[in-house]
Amino acid sequence: EAGVAQSPRYKIIEKRQSVAFWCNPISGHATLYWYQQILGQGPKLLIQFQNNGVVDDSQLPKDRFSAERLKGVDSTLKIQPAKLEDSAVYLCASSFYGTHNEQFFGPGTRLTVL
Amino acid sequence: QKEVEQDPGPLSVPEGAIVSLNCTYSNSAFQYFMWYRQYSRKGPELLMYTYSSGNKEDGRFTAQVDKSSKYISLFIRDSQPSDSATYLCAMSATDNQFYFGTGTSLTVIP
Repeated sequence: EAGVAQSPRYKIIEKRQSVAFWCNPISGHATLYWYQQILGQGPKLLIQFQNNGVVDDSQLPKDRFSAERLKGVDSTLKIQPAKLEDSAVYLCASSFYGTHNEQFFGPGTRLTVL
Repeated sequence: QKEVEQDPGPLSVPEGAIVSLNCTYSNSAFQYFMWYRQYSRKGPELLMYTYSSGNKEDGRFTAQVDKSSKYISLFIRDSQPSDSATYLCAMSATDNQFYFGTGTSLTVIP
């Protein structure tokens, strides 16, 4: 079974630039999550999708972050404009249905904002 | 006060030692408790999943939950160098949001 795929693996940008991350969840998984993991901290949920609908985006900084999951499969997370404090690993995870099934994580995208 | 507190370590033990990792939490509504292992530059992977209080054992790993004390533990017996990683606790209530600890960095020395 293929795992959660993410790209790019690494990205370096300057502040005020925009960036986009892509995630392809495990086939058949209805729930998709984006987490932000700052160095030395645990992952923080940014947004959770159930199929192509948003379940929770309470911690997404909506003035600069946006995410979509068209057709209930792949998802993209965008930051525009980026700030220095956005430097982090952005993890995508998926689960079969809902939170209390096991979440499978991708390898993450490491973003550095200069 | 953070929802979940976890000692970041680092923790260094000799091979074969018993390792104890712990988290405390403040939200009495938490019912689902998980431990994840994260190798360097990888995503977290689920090790143990426990609902409510009690113990759960899986091979060399044992998870304990004490809801009265708001305290969870992960024990690793006969630790191996391959266990060297960061261990994250996570928990959730019925609102479906996971709250992660900051992670404990573990090194098992051969």
